[in-house]
Amino acid sequence: DTAVSQTPKYLVTQMGNDKSIKCEQNLGHDTMYWYKQDSKKFLKIMFSYNNKELIINETVPNRFSPKSPDKAHLNLHINSLELGDSAVYFCASSQELAGGSEQFFGPGTRLTVL
Amino acid sequence: EDQVTQSPEALRLQEGESSSLNCSYTVSGLRGLFWYRQDPGKGPEFLFTLYSAGEEKEKERLKATLTKKESFLHITAPKPEDSATYLCAVQAGGTYKYIFGTGTRLKVLA
Repeated sequence: DTAVSQTPKYLVTQMGNDKSIKCEQNLGHDTMYWYKQDSKKFLKIMFSYNNKELIINETVPNRFSPKSPDKAHLNLHINSLELGDSAVYFCASSQELAGGSEQFFGPGTRLTVL
Repeated sequence: EDQVTQSPEALRLQEGESSSLNCSYTVSGLRGLFWYRQDPGKGPEFLFTLYSAGEEKEKERLKATLTKKESFLHITAPKPEDSATYLCAVQAGGTYKYIFGTGTRLKVLA
């Protein structure tokens, strides 16, 4: 059973398009995250949701909008894609927000903007 | 500012040649320090959590230690399958954010 799953695994699209990435976790965790990993492999947090409530919202363009329909799902919608959005996006979850819980990561979505 | 620095950036070892990876951190109110392993094309995989200075955790050939300023991941008698990027992260007390280092790329040669 996959603990944290993301779809799609690869996404190739043109500049200006709108796309979405879906994430689901079956671990029963309260907290979910979106990370961006750039070409130098640096992982940077974008958003964090705790019990469907937005907790962390880093300095991310407002073209990026997370949506959490329930505790098990956190989707990422990106409007007006730009070349600089090309990266690998990882979804993650943890048991709770504040307790120093380890995170479990999905397999990643490689986004390429042409 | 909360920060994590890992060294070296890359490390090549012969099979059986033990070594250590370093993770230096500055954080306001450490909630936890985490080690992950990341294989190419995959998401990070959790290895250890350390909460307070003096704590140690072991798993097979890996041992993680923690002081007030840094953590070490010791690899004893590594095998080629230990080749991966090892990431260190801290969770900050005030913001709950997880801050990652840039990782150490380890290559173990047979």
